[in-house]
Amino acid sequence: QKEVEQDPGPLSVPEGAIVSLNCTYSNSAFQYFMWYRQYSRKGPELLMYTYSSGNKEDGRFTAQVDKSSKYISLFIRDSQPSDSATYLCAMRSDNYGQNFVFGPGTRLSVLP
Amino acid sequence: GAVVSQHPSRVICKSGTSVKIECRSLDFQATTMFWYRQFPKQSLMLMATSNEGSKATYEQGVEKDKFLINHASLTLSTLTVTSAHPEDSSFYICSASSGRYETQYFGPGTRLLVL
Repeated sequence: QKEVEQDPGPLSVPEGAIVSLNCTYSNSAFQYFMWYRQYSRKGPELLMYTYSSGNKEDGRFTAQVDKSSKYISLFIRDSQPSDSATYLCAMRSDNYGQNFVFGPGTRLSVLP
Repeated sequence: GAVVSQHPSRVICKSGTSVKIECRSLDFQATTMFWYRQFPKQSLMLMATSNEGSKATYEQGVEKDKFLINHASLTLSTLTVTSAHPEDSSFYICSASSGRYETQYFGPGTRLLVL
């Protein structure tokens, strides 16, 4: 079993839809959870950064962490064509020196 | 804040030459910098982790003598691809972190094409 699993997609939705992106993980030591957005031929851009369980909202984006289920989600409301990109989840433990573990990414296409 | 730059953004070189890629944290001090490689439509592959003033830690399968990493200051790390070959053609991305509880901020990437 991979440490972090993520459906690679592609996921196609109509403009205005609510998008749900998810990752599951196996290491219960993970405490920090991140979502990055990567446009084609660009470096990843940090969208959300959360610690432990709970929800965090930033504009149209909401990140959820359920540590009991080892499951994290990113919701995008009122999706726009400009949201079309690859979304990477990443996580790490509290153990200094422990590198981040990235999911493989989900390709999202928002159709106008 | 938290801006990371990379230079060059794109480089084409002949087989056998060496290429240096710079990664700079512009508005924060990066105690740790990471170098990744990414093939088309694939996820990030961590190559090495470097802490300022110490030797880089390479991931399994990454040749230290081929991919030279220097992290001489808190704002600059360099990756040198020595004796580049066509199979080294890829998208190289760096990231930087300012501390133990901080996340990684990525540079825009460098596209390397070896002819």
